[in-house]
Amino acid sequence: DARVTQTPRDKVTEMGQEVTMRCQPILGHNTVFWYRQTMMQGLELLAYFRNRAPLDDSGMPKDRFSAEMPDATLATLKIQPSEPRDSAVYFCASGLSETQYFGPGTRLLVL
Amino acid sequence: QKEVEQDPGPLSVPEGAIVSLNCTYSNSAFQYFMWYRQYSRKGPELLMYTYSSGNKEDGRFTAQVDKSSKYISLFIRDSQPSDSATYLCAANQGAQKLVFGQGTRLTINP
Repeated sequence: DARVTQTPRDKVTEMGQEVTMRCQPILGHNTVFWYRQTMMQGLELLAYFRNRAPLDDSGMPKDRFSAEMPDATLATLKIQPSEPRDSAVYFCASGLSETQYFGPGTRLLVL
Repeated sequence: QKEVEQDPGPLSVPEGAIVSLNCTYSNSAFQYFMWYRQYSRKGPELLMYTYSSGNKEDGRFTAQVDKSSKYISLFIRDSQPSDSATYLCAANQGAQKLVFGQGTRLTINP
């Protein structure tokens, strides 16, 4: 049963620290998405890649967020420096055409 | 105005009831419509996927899309306590980023 995996599952950090979240997409999927979910805003798309190339990162605060795909099996989302308003659940999803399959998420708390 | 609007609820119904969840959308270019189910502290799980207008049935679940009125529905028959979750509708133009509704929190009471 192929699944998207994400690490870490939970992260507590202090304001100003760097946070790196990792995602392993489903093998064979060519599109990878990063989302952020909060109670107030719901699911927001931060960035996505197709065939490892960034297609759209307009949802991401570019001064502090960066997303990369160093290879087809790994996507990373980095926040530097982190702020309390970044506290949220961050989901990675992968897909091949119209549908997307989500990972379990990284729950981030910035104190 | 958001491209996909969904009443966040919460919605609470007795076990065995028929549940109707609804969304509206504004972008006429949307061709693909999905419903995701999200349990507490889990990632969204793809439940149903339809292309253009029409109905699609899978067990107790029926997804319906009316493109003329830009209306998306999910019906759950014989609802079970295990159906208690947040349901998110989503749409896209195909092979592109999904636009999600806010999600409706559903509770099925035994």
